[in-house]
Amino acid sequence: DAKTTQPPSMDCAEGRAANLPCNHSTISGNEYVYWYRQIHSQGPQYIIHGLKNNETNEMASLIITEDRKSSTLILPHATLRDTAVYYCIAPRNTNAGKSTFGDGTTLTVKP
Amino acid sequence: DTGVSQNPRHKITKRGQNVTFRCDPISEHNRLYWYRQTLGQGPEFLTYFQNEAQLEKSRLLSDRFSAERPKGSFSTLEIQRTEQGDSAMYLCASSLRGRLADTQYFGPGTRLTVL
Repeated sequence: DAKTTQPPSMDCAEGRAANLPCNHSTISGNEYVYWYRQIHSQGPQYIIHGLKNNETNEMASLIITEDRKSSTLILPHATLRDTAVYYCIAPRNTNAGKSTFGDGTTLTVKP
Repeated sequence: DTGVSQNPRHKITKRGQNVTFRCDPISEHNRLYWYRQTLGQGPEFLTYFQNEAQLEKSRLLSDRFSAERPKGSFSTLEIQRTEQGDSAMYLCASSLRGRLADTQYFGPGTRLTVL
């Protein structure tokens, strides 16, 4: 897996955009970037993934730099329910399917 | 909802006892993963199956741990002679392995407490 680096914690005001960065400078050309989040005591929840192009779905947007060495997850209008640990991972795209999760970013959305 | 399910959700056991957890993946998903997560840490990979074949095991998976996926459907994770250090959340995930992407969907986890 490509090593990913995320800030340990971030705060965001309710209703504002939350921008969560991730560095993955060792990522290979065919490795996707995935984002998951984990709300306390629940299993991780898939948010979004991308390879080269920016992606958007009903939960978030993913912006990947042109050199693919970093990405940003954007929650456009954060709510209190978005308070969670957010994980950025870049698993190897081989038959070895394991994924290495770091410690993620704890996002706290404040009223 | 036909997501990934895990049973039991909570298990309390005494040191030295054996425990078994079950995971039912999303139907038609061919890959199934087991992770372990301790407080304040991200999930740690234990093992994964593609259909019924166990393709990779982490060094974290000591000989007290065994996982099976008979017939490529549900999976069980057994821990023999439990130790207090085995206390953790055990997570299961499944995916439909595509040519490139491999999005994993997680279950709610089984929280194990070893007294």
